[in-house]
Amino acid sequence: DAGVTQSPTHLIKTRGQQVTLRCSPKSGHDTVSWYQQALGQGPQFIFQYYEEEERQRGNFPDRFSGHQFPNYSSELNVNALLLGDSALYLCASSPQTVNRVNNEQFFGPGTRLTVL
Amino acid sequence: AQSVTQLDSQVPVFEEAPVELRCNYSSSVSVYLFWYVQYPNQGLQLLLKYLSGSTLVKGINGFEAEFNKSQTSFHLRKPSVHISDTAEYFCAVRRSNYQLIWGAGTKLIIKP
Repeated sequence: DAGVTQSPTHLIKTRGQQVTLRCSPKSGHDTVSWYQQALGQGPQFIFQYYEEEERQRGNFPDRFSGHQFPNYSSELNVNALLLGDSALYLCASSPQTVNRVNNEQFFGPGTRLTVL
Repeated sequence: AQSVTQLDSQVPVFEEAPVELRCNYSSSVSVYLFWYVQYPNQGLQLLLKYLSGSTLVKGINGFEAEFNKSQTSFHLRKPSVHISDTAEYFCAVRRSNYQLIWGAGTKLIIKP
């Protein structure tokens, strides 16, 4: 079991561009959550996908959007990039029932996004 | 509103010495508390969690934490650290909608 995988590992973009980050959940997991972790801070919840729908959303603008595919993998899209979007983007997966009971989410290694 | 405060951004400690990483939370409702560890260039891994029951919670890698409701704290401890414990440690509290509110993290620096 490869665990949660994310691609790419690193990404450099310029302001105004758009970016797509990808996540494959751990085998057997159907729920995917995305987090933004700025330097020196804890993760901030962006949104969560289950059954191909956005189920919960944190305090992030509409520039942040996502998608979940039938195989449970997920994408995070960010439009009109700002310098402040530079961060580590983490994907986490879990089975839905476990997620709601004890929040034991399994995290990927993250994608480091740098916006110049 | 719920919040989590990790009082130390960095904690240096000698190898084989004990360590305590402090976490305080604010919440007006029942709390569920978590400690995660992030090794360099890796994702977050659950160390331990408090959902209910015994206030002393044991986790992986020899770590334990004590839930103290009166002091609104959930400090993480290990009696003897190893160089492999070098990492950043995050405390988190679960909101009623199951989302996690995270602290800013504490870097554990092991000195040989």
